[in-house]
Amino acid sequence: DAMVIQNPRYQVTQFGKPVTLSCSQTLNHNVMYWYQQKSSQAPKLLFHYYDKDFNNEADTPDNFQSRRPNTSFCFLDIRSPGLGDAAMYLCATSRENSAPNEQFFGPGTRLTVL
Amino acid sequence: GQNIDQPTEMTATEGAIVQINCTYQTSGFYGLSWYQQHDGGAPTFLSYNGLDGLEETGRFSSFLSRSKGYSDLLLKELQMKDSASYLCAVKDSNYQLIWGAGTKLIIKP
Repeated sequence: DAMVIQNPRYQVTQFGKPVTLSCSQTLNHNVMYWYQQKSSQAPKLLFHYYDKDFNNEADTPDNFQSRRPNTSFCFLDIRSPGLGDAAMYLCATSRENSAPNEQFFGPGTRLTVL
Repeated sequence: GQNIDQPTEMTATEGAIVQINCTYQTSGFYGLSWYQQHDGGAPTFLSYNGLDGLEETGRFSSFLSRSKGYSDLLLKELQMKDSASYLCAVKDSNYQLIWGAGTKLIIKP
């Protein structure tokens, strides 16, 4: 089945220790998104890619970086995690300019910062 | 600014009907979507309204009024598995989804 996969599902890191979260998709969608979601809050868009065209949200901290080496894979790097970065990180894909612009989500990576 | 409002929590009884409201103020409007999210899970797509009116998919239907800036999600014949958060998302002039914080729906037997 076509899907969005995220690894790991749970990640524990120490304050200030870099961490990388990964996302892969078999849907062949050209748009990929990274969201941060904290408990009972709306998903917050960090970045998105149209193909290799990178789009950074204005309020995404510099501590967060992303890479998309090819259509299928996308990575989220947190260079120096702080306690406030503990959250669920969701990767999603969609087809560009499609209606309804349905986004397909991976299961998420729950990040704990000690 | 951009704003999406939904009730924080609602409670309903198994087998009944519930209506969840979403009001929005966004820069541009290119459609409104509803997503379901179970605790600890990822959002999954439920419905989309690009034009005014009602869209139906099985036990779920969604109504949109663009002039009044709101949508209602209607869930019929509620089942225990419908206990989840329901998130409203509006596509704005930048073609990005602006998300609400979600309505937590609690179903009681």
